[in-house]
Amino acid sequence: NAGVTQTPKFQVLKTGQSMTLQCAQDMNHNSMYWYRQDPGMGLRLIYYSASEGTTDKGEVPNGYNVSRLNKREFSLRLESAAPSQTSVYFCASSERSQEPNTQYFGPGTRLTVL
Amino acid sequence: AQSVTQLGSHVSVSEGALVLLRCNYSSSVPPYLFWYVQYPNQGLQLLLKYTSAATLVKGINGFEAEFKKSETSFHLTKPSAHMSDAAEYFCAVSDNNQGGKLIFGQGTELSVKP
Repeated sequence: NAGVTQTPKFQVLKTGQSMTLQCAQDMNHNSMYWYRQDPGMGLRLIYYSASEGTTDKGEVPNGYNVSRLNKREFSLRLESAAPSQTSVYFCASSERSQEPNTQYFGPGTRLTVL
Repeated sequence: AQSVTQLGSHVSVSEGALVLLRCNYSSSVPPYLFWYVQYPNQGLQLLLKYTSAATLVKGINGFEAEFKKSETSFHLTKPSAHMSDAAEYFCAVSDNNQGGKLIFGQGTELSVKP
């Protein structure tokens, strides 16, 4: 049982390049989330998917798109990377039928945009 | 809107000393509250969670937190710090009516001196 996995672990991009961050969970959770972590700002929600087939914007969605490919997988795409998107990205999942809605996190992707 | 404030971005204690990490929240509805820990270069791991069942919540690794509604606080404590407790700690608030989204505090980095 791997929990939440993310690929890649590290990535360096040039301004304007695109890339997709991959996330998968094997806990049969309905909900999945993408966060970014920046120093002194905690984690901020980019997008989330309450269930398969639905996605919604979080606090900082600009410059990102997401796809809930199936129940297991939730990807985050940067269409045209900017230096301001240099950050650590975390994926999380949870089971909404449980109270409270405890989220389980992946190990993160460290992205640098030059 | 919900929010979380963690007082002190960095706390330093000696090994064996009391650990106290402060968290205050704002919520218009009874909240669910969480403490997560992040060890260097890792994802977030759940320490404990408040679900309204009991105001004093015990978590992993000897940590506990007390929910005080009158003070809107959920401070994290551990009687005796260990070197392995050095990490970043995040307080978060959620109400399941918002799709289970978490609002995180800014984080507190705990250092433990020998």
